[in-house]
Amino acid sequence: DAGVIQSPRHEVTEMGQEVTLRCKPISGHNSLFWYRQTMMRGLELLIYFNNNVPIDDSGMPEDRFSAKMPNASFSTLKIQPSEPRDSAVYFCASRPSGAPYNEQFFGPGTRLTVL
Amino acid sequence: AQTVTQSQPEMSVQEAETVTLSCTYDTSENNYYLFWYKQPPSRQMILVIRQEAYKQQNATENRFSVNFQKAAKSFSLKISDSQLGDTAMYFCAFMKLGQFYFGTGTSLTVIP
Repeated sequence: DAGVIQSPRHEVTEMGQEVTLRCKPISGHNSLFWYRQTMMRGLELLIYFNNNVPIDDSGMPEDRFSAKMPNASFSTLKIQPSEPRDSAVYFCASRPSGAPYNEQFFGPGTRLTVL
Repeated sequence: AQTVTQSQPEMSVQEAETVTLSCTYDTSENNYYLFWYKQPPSRQMILVIRQEAYKQQNATENRFSVNFQKAAKSFSLKISDSQLGDTAMYFCAFMKLGQFYFGTGTSLTVIP
């Protein structure tokens, strides 16, 4: 199993540009989570999906952020327009259904730098 | 909402010694799950150990064990025989109905 796949691993962009981060969850997992990690705020949940449906997007910072999950094997997190304060590591995680004690499996993260 | 508190931003331990990382949480739930994740410099988040709240017995995984005190809402992680590879950020997490809440992390350095 390849695990959760995220792309790109690193992204450097200029303020005002659109950024799209991509995630492929582990096959068979029905929950997907997007997190943002910074030194100041730690690990923040942005949004999570269950069976491709957004369940809780209360962590999305503002309208510049949007996330989609068009099918069970793909999700995107888009920032438009990007700002320097969006610089962070963005993690995607997936979780299987079934046992209530199942943990989340994290991807390697995307390090975003907005200049 | 659930809150998870890790009061030790940084810790260090001598190689081969034992260290305990603390975690407390706040919830009105009775059934839930607790996790410790490790994030080494590679950035990859790795599950270390999990505890089911309805189980009184403390979970153990090789050199890693927990001290789960449900009444006190405390969930500490003990690392025995610390190794250089244990150097990482450690995150405590509370989970209920598939939603996870993470603490702010403890940065652990193992000193040779």
